[in-house]
Amino acid sequence: KAGVTQTPRYLIKTRGQQVTLSCSPISGHRSVSWYQQTPGQGLQFLFEYFSETQRNKGNFPGRFSGRQFSNSRSEMNVSTLELGDSALYLCASSLDRGDNEQFFGPGTRLTVL
Amino acid sequence: AQSVTQPDIHITVSEGASLELRCNYSYGATPYLFWYVQSPGQGLQLLLKYFSGDTLVQGIKGFEAEFKRSQSSFNLRKPSVHWSDAAEYFCAVAAPMEYGNKLVFGAGTILRVKS
Repeated sequence: KAGVTQTPRYLIKTRGQQVTLSCSPISGHRSVSWYQQTPGQGLQFLFEYFSETQRNKGNFPGRFSGRQFSNSRSEMNVSTLELGDSALYLCASSLDRGDNEQFFGPGTRLTVL
Repeated sequence: AQSVTQPDIHITVSEGASLELRCNYSYGATPYLFWYVQSPGQGLQLLLKYFSGDTLVQGIKGFEAEFKRSQSSFNLRKPSVHWSDAAEYFCAVAAPMEYGNKLVFGAGTILRVKS
C-alpha cells in the first residue's frame, strides 16, 4: 500500500504570495491532519479534516486554511505569505478519527523569501 | 491543555550502548502516547504507541517504551544502539477522542551515535 504523498516536496515563494500544498492519504484513510514544523516552534498542529469537514483547528491565523475532497485528498492554503511561514509542512493520515495512529508523509519544504 | 516535555535536546551515545530518551506529559487523564522518529529531510515514522493495557510497549527497530502513570512519563528505551538510530525523536500525546486526531509533540531529542 502506498504511503502518504505530498506535493510539491519543495517550494520557494516570496512574501505576499499565496501557496497551495497537496496531500494524498493512504488508501482507505479518511482523516487527514496537517502540521507545521519549524526550528523555533517545533511541530504544531494546524488542522484536521474528516469527511470533507474541518474537525479541529490549531492556533494559527486565518491565512492558513484547508479543505478535503470526497476522495479524502486534502489541500492546505496559506495566503499573504510571511517570512515566518517558512517551514516543513507535514500531512498525516489515519483510518478514522478514533484511530489515533497517524502516518506521516515526507512533507513539503516551503521557503518564503 | 495537554503538553509534552522532552528534557534532553541532544543525547550522544556510543554504538552498542543502551539508550533512554525521556518524555513527560501533562494531561488530566491517561492520554494516547506515541514516539516518532525523524531522519533529516524526512517525515515522521511511528516507533510505538500506547493506548491502554500493558504499560511496556514494544515497537519497531528494537525500541520499547514504558508508561508510568505515577510519573506521567513515557520513556523510550533501546538496549543496544546502532549508528543508523541517529535521528531526532519526538514524543507525542493525544487526548482520546476528545480532540480527534490532534497530536501534541514535545520539542524533540536529537540522538547522536558515536562509533
